[in-house]
Amino acid sequence: SAVISQKPSRDICQRGTSLTIQCQVDSQVTMMFWYRQQPGQSLTLIATANQGSEATYESGFVIDKFPISRPNLTFSTLTVSNMSPEDSSIYLCSAAARGLYGYTFGSGTRLTVV
Amino acid sequence: TQLLEQSPQFLSIQEGENLTVYCNSSSVFSSLQWYRQEPGEGPVLLVTVVTGGEVKKLKRLTFQFGDARKDSSLHITAAQPGDTGLYLCAGAHNFNKFYFGSGTKLNVKP
Repeated sequence: SAVISQKPSRDICQRGTSLTIQCQVDSQVTMMFWYRQQPGQSLTLIATANQGSEATYESGFVIDKFPISRPNLTFSTLTVSNMSPEDSSIYLCSAAARGLYGYTFGSGTRLTVV
Repeated sequence: TQLLEQSPQFLSIQEGENLTVYCNSSSVFSSLQWYRQEPGEGPVLLVTVVTGGEVKKLKRLTFQFGDARKDSSLHITAAQPGDTGLYLCAGAHNFNKFYFGSGTKLNVKP
């Protein structure tokens, strides 16, 4: 299965600023996704990162707040824009060659907005 | 609201005990996966089930997919402290995008 490097692993940011999280996969994957997770709780899907086209967002998430790039089959970024304390969470990227065989996850980015 | 409900939400048991975690939904899934997550790490895939009624065993873990493909269970035999973690089920409608269950926090005390 693919190996994902996600960075930064954690950051403390001022409200009103933006943070870009990077996700690098060691092999080409067809699907990449971004999730948000409160510590010890379940994962909420933010969006599907589509290669060469605009990301597909889930209900409650919008492109202006969470712009996503996916320039190729091994890399994606998620930006958390105009941050507020409510954006404090763990952000995870995941990838799969084919969904049937399960996702591989990055180790997550723990974001604290102050 | 959560598409997939897991129960129990929390479970604290002694080493050597058996336990079962349930994952229920009103939706039919094309496939269902179970993950285990430790603090500071991403979830790690344990198993994928795709056929209604399917049972898979992974050492002391037994996974079952309901006949109607709406529910699943994870049974751990003789739990060990190393089994401690957050267990998550995840279901997909078209083998692509997975939605995660509400999670079960397991603590196995030595």
